[in-house]
Amino acid sequence: DAGVIQSPRHEVTEMGQEVTLRCKPISGHNSLFWYRQTMMRGLELLIYFNNNVPIDDSGMPEDRFSAKMPNASFSTLKIQPSEPRDSAVYFCASSIRTGTGELFFGEGSRLTVL
Amino acid sequence: AQSVTQLDSQVPVFEEAPVELRCNYSSSVSVYLFWYVQYPNQGLQLLLKYLSGSTLVKGINGFEAEFNKSQTSFHLRKPSVHISDTAEYFCAVSLMDSNYQLIWGAGTKLIIKP
Repeated sequence: DAGVIQSPRHEVTEMGQEVTLRCKPISGHNSLFWYRQTMMRGLELLIYFNNNVPIDDSGMPEDRFSAKMPNASFSTLKIQPSEPRDSAVYFCASSIRTGTGELFFGEGSRLTVL
Repeated sequence: AQSVTQLDSQVPVFEEAPVELRCNYSSSVSVYLFWYVQYPNQGLQLLLKYLSGSTLVKGINGFEAEFNKSQTSFHLRKPSVHISDTAEYFCAVSLMDSNYQLIWGAGTKLIIKP
């Protein structure tokens, strides 16, 4: 079975450019999470969707960040404009049922903003 | 407020030796407990979880953990480590009255010495 699929795996861009990260969750999973991982802050939850609806976006750092989930099989995280401090690994994770705590993570998108 | 403390940022251990990775949590309500593993350049993967029942939980790759409610601990153990266990290990808790939020520890890097 395919796991959570993220693209791109690596992205290098210049400050001010728009960045779009993509995620395909596991089929049948109704919960989707976007996390950011850095050495300084560890794992941070950015946003949580349940049945394609954003439930908690309190972790989105600024208005420069936005996330969408137009259907059950696709989500995007967009940063516009990007800044060097956005450099991190961004993970998408899905879960078959809210509340289990069992998340299936993608391999991550490593973003470097110059 | 709830928190998770992983007492060691790095644990070096010789191959075939036993290892214990420590995790303590603070919460005023009952919790579910998890250990996740992150291999280099990969996403996180669930190693084991405690939801209820026996306080000794067995996971994948020969790992086990014991829930100690009085000490609010959930330490991870393996009797004999292999070079392939080199990874970062994350402890996490989920509040029983929360349907999605995971609180993460800072992670412990397990370094296997040949």
